[in-house]
Amino acid sequence: IAGITQAPTSQILAAGRRMTLRCTQDMRHNAMYWYRQDLGLGLRLIHYSNTAGTTGKGEVPDGYSVSRANTDDFPLTLASAVPSQTSVYFCASSDSKTGSGGYTFGSGTRLTVV
Amino acid sequence: GNSVTQMEGPVTLSEEAFLTINCTYTATGYPSLFWYVQYPGEGLQLLLKATKADDKGSNKGFEATYRKETTSFHLEKGSVQVSDSAVYFCALSDLTGYGGSQGNLIFGKGTKLSVKP
Repeated sequence: IAGITQAPTSQILAAGRRMTLRCTQDMRHNAMYWYRQDLGLGLRLIHYSNTAGTTGKGEVPDGYSVSRANTDDFPLTLASAVPSQTSVYFCASSDSKTGSGGYTFGSGTRLTVV
Repeated sequence: GNSVTQMEGPVTLSEEAFLTINCTYTATGYPSLFWYVQYPGEGLQLLLKATKADDKGSNKGFEATYRKETTSFHLEKGSVQVSDSAVYFCALSDLTGYGGSQGNLIFGKGTKLSVKP
């Protein structure tokens, strides 16, 4: 593993089903983030975690939950998927609470809810 | 609140043309500014950054200067190549944060660049 690994790469999911997107980093970064990317809307923050054991809500948190049991893992769960959650999801991490260091991104998960 | 506005694309250029992608921001305090690049099918990669006024970030022939007086961070490259075709995102670090958390990045909507041979 080098950087951030996201799984699965893509998924087609029936509406109403539960789904967990996985994210693992090996850089020991303290902060991690989940974004969704939609055409014409750019990237929008779903949830974040500044350090293991803490999480916070971003711009579009409804319908999503996260946990941060340890430094490396930051899974994103859709409890009951809806078609509006069709998107490309990116996990990111950083080692700076002030934001001056920038983020490292995973390669994304393309999710289609039908 | 804090926000980033960048020029809408797509931008289509011929190889070796000069590139400018405009980015302006609204922010409290003194945020750090970034340009990210996303190649097709990939995640975002940090292209360059500037952390204070008048700083110039540069990488791979791209550069951008942090202009506090005009609240801008325009991306430039003197001679683009076909391999520069990608989506470019301007971003700032959100010092106010969501719910008190600092360090979250706020992104512009992205500008798609296509370079033709």
